[in-house]
Amino acid sequence: DAGVIQSPRHEVTEMGQEVTLRCKPISGHDYLFWYRQTMMRGLELLIYFNNNVPIDDSGMPEDRFSAKMPNASFSTLKIQPSEPRDSAVYFCASSLVLAEETQYFGPGTRLLVL
Amino acid sequence: QKEVEQNSGPLSVPEGAIASLNCTYSDRGSQSFFWYRQYSGKSPELIMFIYSNGDKEDGRFTAQLNKASQYVSLLIRDSQPSDSATYLCAVKDDYKLSFGAGTTVTVRA
Repeated sequence: DAGVIQSPRHEVTEMGQEVTLRCKPISGHDYLFWYRQTMMRGLELLIYFNNNVPIDDSGMPEDRFSAKMPNASFSTLKIQPSEPRDSAVYFCASSLVLAEETQYFGPGTRLLVL
Repeated sequence: QKEVEQNSGPLSVPEGAIASLNCTYSDRGSQSFFWYRQYSGKSPELIMFIYSNGDKEDGRFTAQLNKASQYVSLLIRDSQPSDSATYLCAVKDDYKLSFGAGTTVTVRA
């Protein structure tokens, strides 16, 4: 398997623009997670899905952030409008249904909002 | 999210020495504990997990868990320059992972 795939790998945009991050989980994995990593706050869980349904979005910082999972092989995280404080590395991870199963992380998207 | 605290580091050890990393967690009911390694500019990758009190060994890595003290540690024996990375402690609650801030380890050749 190719692992978790994320695109784009790097994104530079201007404040106020819409940003869409994409993720393809490992085939067969039932859970998908979106994380954000910054120097100040470390690795934070934003939202996770089970069988394409959002289960917990309590980590989403504000209404500017939204996430969807239209099918088992694709998810998006959208920021609109973007702000400089959204600059971070955004990771997508996936795992199997078993509670003991580890999460496998994608390579991440480095976002810079100017 | 649950609180997970780690030594801020950085931790510098000579090649061949033992690196000891510590982690404490706030939720006494936590059951599953993970150590991830993250190289600079890369994504976290799992080193090992532990569920039961005591030690778990995997190659040069040993995880130690003490639920009564709410304490998890990771020992890296015979440290190699390739072990230089940030090590993240994570605690699992249902299907969610809460991560510590990480400890940066530098192995001096």
